[in-house]
Amino acid sequence: GAVVSQHPSWVICKSGTSVKIECRSLDFQATTMFWYRQFPKQSLMLMATSNEGSKATYEQGVEKDKFLINHASLTLSTLTVTSAHPEDSSFYICSARRQEGSAYEQYFGPGTRLTVT
Amino acid sequence: GQNIDQPTEMTATEGAIVQINCTYQTSGFNGLFWYQQHAGEAPTFLSYNVLDGLEEKGRFSSFLSRSKGYSYLLLKELQMKDSASYLCAAMDSNYQLIWGAGTKLIIKP
Repeated sequence: GAVVSQHPSWVICKSGTSVKIECRSLDFQATTMFWYRQFPKQSLMLMATSNEGSKATYEQGVEKDKFLINHASLTLSTLTVTSAHPEDSSFYICSARRQEGSAYEQYFGPGTRLTVT
Repeated sequence: GQNIDQPTEMTATEGAIVQINCTYQTSGFNGLFWYQQHAGEAPTFLSYNVLDGLEEKGRFSSFLSRSKGYSYLLLKELQMKDSASYLCAAMDSNYQLIWGAGTKLIIKP
């Protein structure tokens, strides 16, 4: 159990275009999902917290108009990188929080490698 | 502020034992997580501790001392495939994960 999928696994797009990444919890409901970015040889950086049915909470320095997050259902959150630029090239990873009683666990999707040319 | 400290890099020998330490300071505490991340891949969940003590799972064990703000991940009978980064993360009072920078573990034959 506790499987999180991400689609696509990798994408190459041209500068100025938009890219949508989907994150799904396959066997549990996730009221909260998280979007991270990771540059090579660096640690995970939390971009935003996505809550089902409400607006996402963005971390300081993350442009909410550039990185659009929609958590439309208890199993799906999407991240859209609008007007992508080469500096947006990175590894984007989502995770979904599962609650078991009073304990919370967080599971990651396999990640999406974005290259903007 | 909130802070997680863990060593940047460690080296160990195949078949040996290695302990990766993590200290944390968070606003409130709702548990300590360890994840393994191979290069180019997403992190995978290893363990979760919320009570003091040792949790054993096969070759991997995780220990927590809440009073000391300290945890360690113990890896036994090291295999070459254990070469990876190991991420320590503490969950704060808002149930948000605060991440360490990760410990790169290098296994030598």
